Amino acid sequence: RKEVEQDPGPFNVPEGATVAFNCTYSNSASQSFFWYRQDCRKEPKLLMSVYSSGNEDGRFTAQLNRASQYISLLIRDSKLSDSATYLCVVNRGYGGATNKLIFGTGTLLAVQP
Amino acid sequence: ETGVTQSPTHLIKTRGQQVTLRCSSQSGHNTVSWYQQALGQGPQFIFQYYREEENGRGNFPPRFSGLQFPNYSSELNVNALELDDSALYLCASSLARGLAAYEQYFGPGTRLTVT
Repeated sequence: RKEVEQDPGPFNVPEGATVAFNCTYSNSASQSFFWYRQDCRKEPKLLMSVYSSGNEDGRFTAQLNRASQYISLLIRDSKLSDSATYLCVVNRGYGGATNKLIFGTGTLLAVQP
Repeated sequence: ETGVTQSPTHLIKTRGQQVTLRCSSQSGHNTVSWYQQALGQGPQFIFQYYREEENGRGNFPPRFSGLQFPNYSSELNVNALELDDSALYLCASSLARGLAAYEQYFGPGTRLTVT
């Protein structure tokens, strides 16, 4: 079983739709959580950190449930430019300065006109 | 842009050769992590450098090694290249203060092809 699991998709949605991505992680010692976005053949870019209280950035809302070891990302009013692979990422630090990011395989989103 | 740079952009090597990849971290960052991303997969952690020392390592053999320099830039060296080493190699920089570690920002990557 992978340490971070995501539905690989693809998710094909029309412009303006709301889409939700889910992710589970297996290591309860995980310390911090992120969503990254990766365009084809480009580097991952930090979309947002995920906090236990939930956080929102414009059309994007992230939630963390530590008890269920579950992370989610909601995108409202999808734009064509949202088409990308969304990577669920867990920071399993060893303590001190070490922070090892564990990535899911990513969920591909294709927003259709 | 993140301010993290990597060189070269692309590289083609032959099996058995050695390769060195380079990374310059974002200004103000003191930690560099290296990741390998095979096609269709998420990035896999190779190792991290902090204060010029390896500070955490993933499940990669010793032929993957690295360095960090006083200016926080870093190198990834891979010896005895194998076909499966073909991947996108990503460098990420972050700022670590005491026990706290902050978000990681990625460079554009080096695409390595081993033939």
